[in-house]
Amino acid sequence: DAGITQSPRHKVTETGTPVTLRCHQTENHRYMYWYRQDPGHGLRLIHYSYGVKDTDKGEVSDGYSVSRSKTEDFLLTLESATSSQTSVYFCAISDDRAAEAFFGQGTRLTVV
Amino acid sequence: AQTVTQSQPEMSVQEAETVTLSCTYDTSENNYYLFWYKQPPSRQMILVIRQEAYKQQNATENRFSVNFQKAAKSFSLKISDSQLGDTAMYFCAFMKPSNQFYFGTGTSLTVIP
Repeated sequence: DAGITQSPRHKVTETGTPVTLRCHQTENHRYMYWYRQDPGHGLRLIHYSYGVKDTDKGEVSDGYSVSRSKTEDFLLTLESATSSQTSVYFCAISDDRAAEAFFGQGTRLTVV
Repeated sequence: AQTVTQSQPEMSVQEAETVTLSCTYDTSENNYYLFWYKQPPSRQMILVIRQEAYKQQNATENRFSVNFQKAAKSFSLKISDSQLGDTAMYFCAFMKPSNQFYFGTGTSLTVIP
């Protein structure tokens, strides 16, 4: 299995609070992604990174920011959590040599 | 923009039978990859099969095979000899040369004993 760890695995937070999810990889892969999974919507890309400090927005980036200061870590921040951000969040990694996305275990976030 | 469409939200199949999951996609790219991922109740995303667009031969992995029709932008997954462990959500996915991945909305497959 690819070395990808998401933390926390579960979190309950209150509306209006900031939340940071962490993705850590040990594979030295260039690309890292944050997706959210919601029933009826599949996986939708929030942000992705193509290198240290190189990030770009995905299709559902509003209300989210990311940072990648090291190859191995990709942080997703909900600046002010809302109930619509209740979801399962997946981190994924990829590399030019491996045409495949490897996924973390997912984080279930509930905003109350 | 790239889109991936899975028009079957739910499907069921009897154990040991064969089932086909449909996927269509839209892209202006000529070189790309297509995937089927499986997500069992454990929530883990597992690669089932991969197809390179420039290869005409359909990919196979044991009981899993695809029917790749590039001109029609169709990429269906056939599961033969279905097993109870095949019960899962299946996602069709597309990868651009820039390593951006796009996923369909998923098909929930239930294998009936």
